[in-house]
Amino acid sequence: GAGVSQSPSNKVTEKGKDVELRCDPISGHTALYWYRQSLGQGLEFLIYFQGNSAPDKSGLPSDRFSAERTGGSVSTLTIQRTQQEDSAVYLCASSFSSGGTDTQYFGPGTRLTVL
Amino acid sequence: DAKTTQPNSMESNEEEPVHLPCNHSTISGTDYIHWYRQLPSQGPEYVIHGLTSNVNNRMASLAIAEDRKSSTLILHRATLRDAAVYYCILRPNSGGSNYKLTFGKGTLLTVNP
Repeated sequence: GAGVSQSPSNKVTEKGKDVELRCDPISGHTALYWYRQSLGQGLEFLIYFQGNSAPDKSGLPSDRFSAERTGGSVSTLTIQRTQQEDSAVYLCASSFSSGGTDTQYFGPGTRLTVL
Repeated sequence: DAKTTQPNSMESNEEEPVHLPCNHSTISGTDYIHWYRQLPSQGPEYVIHGLTSNVNNRMASLAIAEDRKSSTLILHRATLRDAAVYYCILRPNSGGSNYKLTFGKGTLLTVNP
């Protein structure tokens, strides 16, 4: 079956521009997560969606970052006025629910480079 | 949060077994032990998880110490495709923000042909 897909796979942008990253979760998965991974670093949690609502946005690093999810499916992560420190791989994951044993399935990520 | 400790790197030969250790001495009674791996230029991939008993699936086996303070991921016959960073993490069964996956540095596994 289809896994989690993300687009674009790579994005190069200039400092100060806005970017939108898209995530298509596995069909039927109610939980969706955004993480980012900087070069050589571990995974950093950004936001969690249950359905269309985001009960946990605690990982968003600043108010330049926002995310939404529509129809309980596709999610978009928006970064406004990008900065060089935003350069990272942005990973999306989905799971059937959000319990401690639920497997999170990851997409291939979007590599963002801010020049 | 309970922490895990893994070796930075390990090396194996193709078609030989690999034992990847993880120490988690501060594990609590409700923490599940999960393993994920990340192949080069890909997103993380679930491998296996367990609570107290040893677990087997098509990818690997998980051996959990009787006191649960350590565990070992076993790849029975390493292939070149198994070269990846392997992450051992603890996830509470319920409560709080147990949905957050927190990866440390993990173990970089190199498989030699």
